[in-house]
Amino acid sequence: GDSVTQMEGPVTLSEEAFLTINCTYTATGYPSLFWYVQYPGEGLQPLLKATKADDKGSNKGFEATYRKETTSFHLEKGSVQVSDSAVYFCALELTDKLIFGTGTRLQVFP
Amino acid sequence: EAGVVQSPRYKIIEKKQPVAFWCNPISGHNTLYWYRQNLGQGPELLIRYENEEAVDDSQLPKDRFSAERLKGVDSTLKIQPAELGDSAVYLCASSLRAGQYNEQFFGPGTRLTVL
Repeated sequence: GDSVTQMEGPVTLSEEAFLTINCTYTATGYPSLFWYVQYPGEGLQPLLKATKADDKGSNKGFEATYRKETTSFHLEKGSVQVSDSAVYFCALELTDKLIFGTGTRLQVFP
Repeated sequence: EAGVVQSPRYKIIEKKQPVAFWCNPISGHNTLYWYRQNLGQGPELLIRYENEEAVDDSQLPKDRFSAERLKGVDSTLKIQPAELGDSAVYLCASSLRAGQYNEQFFGPGTRLTVL
């Protein structure tokens, strides 16, 4: 069935380090891909999205490119801040249904 | 703009007791979702509403779970009777309408503990 696989966390980085969180998917159709973020004590928020192959989603310095050939949607940021500490969820959408990965916790230290 | 509101934030009950969760979506959002999130996992869809109509309830355990969305705005999710395995965070989300171009916005969730 359709599924999303994320790298396990926690990912621990120093401020201004480069971030990559890997995400791969399995889908029977042509999904849209999303990254959601959950800050401590808050609800899930959409971070960025891409709706077709080779699209790049970007927001708040984060980027992810929809790679159909590798079925991936890796999240990257060139310089993380302490305020980026959160849990990041990769998700695909098919037939109006979101399927989430298990989430990756990011911890950024000053 | 107010976000998705859920209550209560926390609920502790004994097994076999009933429990209900309430959700108020973002104003103007026609589509409402209920998800369950187990510890260390991503959210899993339970039911989706388009206005008042439940259009996808295939993952809702109908023997003990029920949901309603009267007047196409607020929604209530009920469990009766609760079981130990129902302990999880129950999330409500809304979007303008279903579809790949519409992000879903989530509430803070209700953390349910069944003893």
